[in-house]
Amino acid sequence: TQLLEQSPQFLSIQEGENLTVYCNSSSVFSSLQWYRQEPGEGPVLLVTVVTGGEVKKLKRLTFQFGDARKDSSLHITAAQPGDTGLYLCAGPISSGSARQLTFGSGTQLTVLP
Amino acid sequence: DAGVTQSPTHLIKTRGQQVTLRCSPISGHKSVSWYQQVLGQGPQFIFQYYEKEERGRGNFPDRFSARQFPNYSSELNVNALLLGDSALYLCASSFPGSPRSAFFGQGTRLTVV
Repeated sequence: TQLLEQSPQFLSIQEGENLTVYCNSSSVFSSLQWYRQEPGEGPVLLVTVVTGGEVKKLKRLTFQFGDARKDSSLHITAAQPGDTGLYLCAGPISSGSARQLTFGSGTQLTVLP
Repeated sequence: DAGVTQSPTHLIKTRGQQVTLRCSPISGHKSVSWYQQVLGQGPQFIFQYYEKEERGRGNFPDRFSARQFPNYSSELNVNALLLGDSALYLCASSFPGSPRSAFFGQGTRLTVV
């Protein structure tokens, strides 16, 4: 069972368009992270959201954490081909004495020139 | 500062063989975690090590083992390889208790034939 569900799974858009991807859970998270991963590379941390209702902006990317801390969204304005990649959301969970990250399955974004 | 480094970057093994993957964390990070990412999925937690001790283990068979050395580097071993072990193996380092500050290496692409 996936704790974090991401949608859509695939998204292909033209350069200049806007888009939103979603990360949803039935569980409350203390924080959520968004990563971007390119083929053959490891995930690169984009942002961490911590407070319910929090909005963070990173250039053309806007991240929001839901009020109940169960969901998050990533909005990209005027997408560019360089935004192409796999976008992953992740949240920390405890397992014994370990603090691990659980990931969603990701949204594969392709921005066409 | 160097990021998380993993070696080798690519590896091809035959079913039944054994493999060892290596990871050097970011300087100052004492916690290392290993993740398996199958094509089209988000990373799945395998192990977390801190101060040379296993702190957590994901839902993986005993064929998977790991260790951490005094310099905080880590090795992941997989015995009796199966075709289904083909994946990108990611190492992440972080300060202990702060998985939301995890930084990933570029991964080792393991192909089992």
